[in-house]
Amino acid sequence: AQSVTQLGSHVSVSEGALVLLRCNYSSSVPPYLFWYVQYPNQGLQLLLKYTSAATLVKGINGFEAEFKKSETSFHLTKPSAHMRDAAEYFCAVTQGVDSSYKLIFGSGTRLLVRP
Amino acid sequence: DTEVTQTPKHLVMGMTNKKSLKCEQHMGHRAMYWYKQKAKKPPELMFVYSYEKLSINESVPSRFSPECPNSSLLNLHLHALQPEDSALYLCASSPGQGAIYGYTFGSGTRLTVV
Repeated sequence: AQSVTQLGSHVSVSEGALVLLRCNYSSSVPPYLFWYVQYPNQGLQLLLKYTSAATLVKGINGFEAEFKKSETSFHLTKPSAHMRDAAEYFCAVTQGVDSSYKLIFGSGTRLLVRP
Repeated sequence: DTEVTQTPKHLVMGMTNKKSLKCEQHMGHRAMYWYKQKAKKPPELMFVYSYEKLSINESVPSRFSPECPNSSLLNLHLHALQPEDSALYLCASSPGQGAIYGYTFGSGTRLTVV
């Protein structure tokens, strides 16, 4: 079965600092990987996705993630944090042999941005 | 229109009530989903509809009853819920039944069962 593990339930950074949110996956087949963001009292918004094309994926709001097969990782980064980036971030992987229906979410990482 | 609209945004219901959650999208997506999200937890899949047919039921109790009247609408009928069913209920859609497309989520309905 496929799964993702997000290291750190909370990450705190200063405004302007590098953001690094960690995600490791477990999959017996090539995975499709996603990062979603959830602002308070809202639904989830897709930040970016990896679907076996380029290993460095650029998303919205200045975020990017790099797929590293050797490390089974898909960490999310942003060079300079803004206050508006404070939210919950979920890494997710598909489950199934092909492009199946089900997203498996990690437990989430809450990003706090200090002024 | 690139949104998934959910109504109501908040709902308080008693354990003997019957209520419905509504989800609507006009993006031409052919797959729609219901997720349940408890506080400080990731979303958990409940149901998947593909081309207006129920394709996945993740062993959800029968007190939750989904309905897909047409390709733009998805309802979740609630009856005899328990306090532990209190959660944020999220609707999502995708062009086809495949996570590779990425999902578009609504803002959710925050349900409180008293």
